Amino acid sequence: ILNVEQSPQSLHVQEGDSTNFTCSFPSSNFYALHWYRWETAKSPEALFVMTLNGDEKKKGRISATLNTKEGYSYLYIKGSQPEDSATYLCAFHSGGYQKVTFGTGTKLQVIP
Amino acid sequence: ETGVTQTPRHLVMGMTNKKSLKCEQHLGHNAMYWYKQSAKKPLELMFVYSLEERVENNSVPSRFSPECPNSSHLFLHLHTLQPEDSALYLCASSYSKAGSTDTQYFGPGTRLTVL
Repeated sequence: ILNVEQSPQSLHVQEGDSTNFTCSFPSSNFYALHWYRWETAKSPEALFVMTLNGDEKKKGRISATLNTKEGYSYLYIKGSQPEDSATYLCAFHSGGYQKVTFGTGTKLQVIP
Repeated sequence: ETGVTQTPRHLVMGMTNKKSLKCEQHLGHNAMYWYKQSAKKPLELMFVYSLEERVENNSVPSRFSPECPNSSHLFLHLHTLQPEDSALYLCASSYSKAGSTDTQYFGPGTRLTVL
């Protein structure tokens, strides 16, 4: 069983604050690392797929970095807004038939 | 809207009932997946279909029976479930055949309660 951990489990930030959270995954058999945003009562929505060590991806105020050698990825949100409130999931892809292992997520609440 | 729909959104069933969950994708994808999310646990992959052929069965009990009649539709047939099977069941699809790093597109899920 692959161990994919996310921290913190939850956090509350004030509107306008920047924040970041971590996804840790095995450093061997790396294929890809996915980030998803999951708002309550909606479908998980893909943010990034990262495949190369040192990858940095950006989408608006959200960005992510990847370190495959040490097995972690950071997700950053700059100037958090209430609409950023969601659970952020990472998924470690170790190859094979799209076999991905999800973390338990970081639940972000942005307070207006 | 992700292009993946699931019905029903909520389902309550007794342990002796037989029911089915339906998933439909309108994205022209080749692979489809069933995931289970129990409370406080991460998403768990249950089944993977690639071009209508089952390529992954993650040690799921036989009371869950998947069916993929074509690349756009996926079913999960439920029979003699246990209360611990109560969970959110998510369907997803991806463009490429299994083995790629393509993003998965998820449906909104079916919230299942087994009494």
